[in-house]
Amino acid sequence: KQEVTQIPAALSVPEGENLVLNCSFTDSAIYNLQWFRQDPGKGLTSLLLIQSSQREQTSGRLNASLDKSSGRSTLYIAASQPGDSATYLCAVPPGGGADGLTFGKGTHLIIQP
Amino acid sequence: EAGVAQSPRYKIIEKRQSVAFWCNPISGHATLYWYQQILGQGPKLLIQFQNNGVVDDSQLPKDRFSAERLKGVDSTLKIQPAKLEDSAVYLCASSERLAGQETQYFGPGTRLLVL
Repeated sequence: KQEVTQIPAALSVPEGENLVLNCSFTDSAIYNLQWFRQDPGKGLTSLLLIQSSQREQTSGRLNASLDKSSGRSTLYIAASQPGDSATYLCAVPPGGGADGLTFGKGTHLIIQP
Repeated sequence: EAGVAQSPRYKIIEKRQSVAFWCNPISGHATLYWYQQILGQGPKLLIQFQNNGVVDDSQLPKDRFSAERLKGVDSTLKIQPAKLEDSAVYLCASSERLAGQETQYFGPGTRLLVL
């Protein structure tokens, strides 16, 4: 059974800092990994999707990397802003034809102005 | 493009009562998911539909939870009877597969409190 772990559970940093969020998964037989953002009282917004054949994906100040063999992914946020404050979740599909995602518990990020 | 719609946004009930949630996916999306997100946890998949057929309901507590997707569009999730531990946010998502890649789009969720 796939398990996803995210470290740290919470993070508070001053505005402008670069930061790294970590995600690990137990079953490396994944075909993609996604990073989501969740704002309080709202649904999830997909940030980046990395296919298993890719090593990284970039969108603006966000960069996600994937090391399938070691079961790890990182989300790098450059030049953090207060608007980046949210919970960040990583998720992987189970494979075998089903697509429902297995999520980590998330990293609650606060960017101090 | 309209997103995934869910209603109600909030619901408070007493234990042993029944409750139903409704989801309208993005137009044209064949796949629909229901997730349960307990406070402090990541979402957990309850059920996945492909059109009006069930693909995966292995984590759905079938003694009290049921879901249907009539005509392959809207879906309802029902809890009967509710327990205290059912207090959570229930998220609906829909997706389409393009060029072998699938992206799930989530609704705002229904926040359920069972007293």
